[in-house]
Amino acid sequence: AQTVTQSQPEMSVQEAETVTLSCTYDTSESDYYLFWYKQPPSRQMILVIRQEAYKQQNATENRFSVNFQKAAKSFSLKISDSQLGDAAMYFCAYSHQGAQKLVFGQGTRLTINP
Amino acid sequence: DTGVSQDPRHKITKRGQNVTFRCDPISEHNRLYWYRQTLGQGPEFLTYFQNEAQLEKSRLLSDRFSAERPKGSFSTLEIQRTEQGDSAMYLCASSETGVNTEAFFGQGTRLTVV
Repeated sequence: AQTVTQSQPEMSVQEAETVTLSCTYDTSESDYYLFWYKQPPSRQMILVIRQEAYKQQNATENRFSVNFQKAAKSFSLKISDSQLGDAAMYFCAYSHQGAQKLVFGQGTRLTINP
Repeated sequence: DTGVSQDPRHKITKRGQNVTFRCDPISEHNRLYWYRQTLGQGPEFLTYFQNEAQLEKSRLLSDRFSAERPKGSFSTLEIQRTEQGDSAMYLCASSETGVNTEAFFGQGTRLTVV
């Protein structure tokens, strides 16, 4: 079975600085998808960024980028120029087939210090 | 369309009672997913539908749980004879068919069993 591990329960960063959230996963599949989701307090989960395993190039979405190391099964999220609105729970997730049956990590609570 | 809608947002019930939750997906989305999220954990997959067909159920979905999507639009999740361990956030998500798709989440229904 696939598993996703986030080893950082909490992280904090000063506003405008850069922070990296870690994620490792385990799978025997060669083709899969990885995601970072953001869950603000009392609000719905939203997709931050997605990476297809067959793509060697790391995904980037504005201030958000990933470091995808397929051999090491590592998928970290870098947030540049952190903003107060980035404060949330961040979940790393895996799927063998796109949006179906996501397997989530335990989450990392990110605090932004003004 | 305002996104995925879940009702109610909060439910408090006594142990042993039955509860039913409703999810209205984004209208053009064929796939609908149910997840359960306990405090401090990532969401866990429960089941998913392709139109009205329930294609997969997790082992987490005991006999007391049943989900339906009768006309391929909204879905209901019923829990019979609730137990305190059922207390959690129940999340619904929907997506289009295909592998390169995004799952959109609702705000969830928080169930408290007393």
